[in-house]
Amino acid sequence: ETGVTQSPTHLIKTRGQQVTLRCSSQSGHNTVSWYQQALGQGPQFIFQYYREEENGRGNFPPRFSGLQFPNYSSELNVNALELDDSALYLCASRGDRYEQYFGPGTRLTVT
Amino acid sequence: AQKVTQAQTEISVVEKEDVTLDCVYETRDTTYYLFWYKQPPSGELVFLIRRNSFDEQNEISGRYSWNFQKSTSSFNFTITASQVVDSAVYFCAPRTGGRRALTFGSGTRLQVQP
Repeated sequence: ETGVTQSPTHLIKTRGQQVTLRCSSQSGHNTVSWYQQALGQGPQFIFQYYREEENGRGNFPPRFSGLQFPNYSSELNVNALELDDSALYLCASRGDRYEQYFGPGTRLTVT
Repeated sequence: AQKVTQAQTEISVVEKEDVTLDCVYETRDTTYYLFWYKQPPSGELVFLIRRNSFDEQNEISGRYSWNFQKSTSSFNFTITASQVVDSAVYFCAPRTGGRRALTFGSGTRLQVQP
């Protein structure tokens, strides 16, 4: 186990709603990243937080936003949900050699 | 621009066979890191190995070995004496010095039959 936890495990939302996903990173890791993995594809980078500041972002619209807290836990918020947002959302904390340790993910279904 | 290619979509082997997973990473960057991840049916991505672009020494760790050739941009991963528990999707994921993220390939699904 990586020590990275995510909640909830599964979530079903309706198009247009808002959702918040949560992540607790591995102890001592101050950098957390979020990825979206659509079915049958590799994960796609959403953004990264370091010491409560966003310091990197992938090709995702502003309705994808995040927060990192002083204890290095993190949230991913998605507004105005679309059907294409249905995916597995993965949180990862970064080790001291740039390796990323992933949590089990949250599976989001938008209907 | 950078490009990660895992040309093998799916591989099926019989238990105890050796299997090599291919990855080609094209980039103009001279310094980068390469990672392999495993994603079993449970869905959780498991970190396997990390290599630097400036270290071409090939390594073996248990049943895993990797062959990195910078001249051909290839970073291949071999499992010796495969086991049923090795069945998973394997991702090659480079990280360049400037980017703050991993760029995942499309993955190779490995099925090890008993």
